[in-house]
Amino acid sequence: EAGVAQSPRYKIIEKRQSVAFWCNPISGHATLYWYQQILGQGPKLLIQFQNNGVVDDSQLPKDRFSAERLKGVDSTLKIQPAKLEDSAVYLCASSNRGYNEKLFFGSGTQLSVL
Amino acid sequence: QQQVKQSPQSLIVQKGGISIINCAYENTAFDYFPWYQQFPGKGPALLIAIRPDVSEKKEGRFTISFNKSAKQFSLHIMDSQPGDSATYFCAAFSAGKSTFGDGTTLTVKP
Repeated sequence: EAGVAQSPRYKIIEKRQSVAFWCNPISGHATLYWYQQILGQGPKLLIQFQNNGVVDDSQLPKDRFSAERLKGVDSTLKIQPAKLEDSAVYLCASSNRGYNEKLFFGSGTQLSVL
Repeated sequence: QQQVKQSPQSLIVQKGGISIINCAYENTAFDYFPWYQQFPGKGPALLIAIRPDVSEKKEGRFTISFNKSAKQFSLHIMDSQPGDSATYFCAAFSAGKSTFGDGTTLTVKP
């Protein structure tokens, strides 16, 4: 079974630039999550999709972050414009049904904002 | 608001020893408590999980102890091995929504 795929693996940008991350979840998984993991901290949920609908985006900084999951499969997370404090690892995860069950994480995209 | 507090921040254990990591939560609506293991450059991977209707769950060398009244749960790693050196995160879920602790970096010395 293929795991959660994420790209790019690393990204370095200047502040105020824009950046996009891509995620392809495990086939058949209805729920997709984007987490932000700042160095030395645990993953913080940014947005959760159930199929192609948003379940929770309460912690997404909507003035600069956006995400979409077209056709209920893969997803993109965009930051525009980026700030220094956005430097972090962005993790994508998926699960079968999305209710208190095992999350499968990708290896993440490490973003450095200079 | 930090809803899940994890301790210690770092832990050094000799090979063969017992590693213990603790978490405390506030929200009594949490009803699923997993532990994730993360190696450098990788995403977290589920290690073991417990639901509040049991007080202990064991899988191989890994045990979760759960104290509902104290709102605490802990991970015990028996016979710790150098390959267990990683960062461990506790988490708590309610209605599918997750909160993670800030992690414990475990180093097992040979």
